[in-house]
Amino acid sequence: GAVVSQHPSWVICKSGTSVKIECRSLDFQATTMFWYRQFPKQSLMLMATSNEGSKATYEQGVEKDKFLINHASLTLSTLTVTSAHPEDSSFYICSARRDRGRGEQFFGPGTRLTVL
Amino acid sequence: GQQLNQSPQSMFIQEGEDVSMNCTSSSIFNTWLWYKQEPGEGPVLLIALYKAGELTSNGRLTAQFGITRKDSFLNISASIPSDVGIYFCAGQLGGTASKLTFGTGTRLQVTL
Repeated sequence: GAVVSQHPSWVICKSGTSVKIECRSLDFQATTMFWYRQFPKQSLMLMATSNEGSKATYEQGVEKDKFLINHASLTLSTLTVTSAHPEDSSFYICSARRDRGRGEQFFGPGTRLTVL
Repeated sequence: GQQLNQSPQSMFIQEGEDVSMNCTSSSIFNTWLWYKQEPGEGPVLLIALYKAGELTSNGRLTAQFGITRKDSFLNISASIPSDVGIYFCAGQLGGTASKLTFGTGTRLQVTL
């Protein structure tokens, strides 16, 4: 149990286009999901906290108009990178906090975004 | 954003050796977690610690929640090649409902 999926696993796009990444909790409900960004050989940096039915909370320095988050159900959150540029190329990872139990966070397998 | 300091930054050990790594913070946390990440994958939860002084094991892994609540330790006994990866600590300040702050990571390499 406690499986989180991400789609797509990798994407290559042209500069200026928008890319949507999906994060799904497959066997549990998650009112809260989190989006992280990870550059090569670095740690995970939290971008935003996604709450089902309400607006996401963004970390300092993260542009909310560039990284659009929608958490429309208890099992799905999406991150849209709008007008992507090469500097947005990174590994994007989501996590889902299980509503039941101790509220552990389980991570998705990540999405590798490359902007040409 | 804030990051927790992990040491060592990297380790090269032989199969069968024990491994110790730690994670320190300038502020206290109420929950400590240890994750392992393999290349191109998301982190996988290894051990969760919920109380200061708590010592918890998961197979060959043992982790402790420091008494000061500002540090945590992870030990791996009798390492095997599949232990290779990056180990991250993470702290939660406000209990399990709050966001995680990640450590800088310890890269573990195991040679035969």
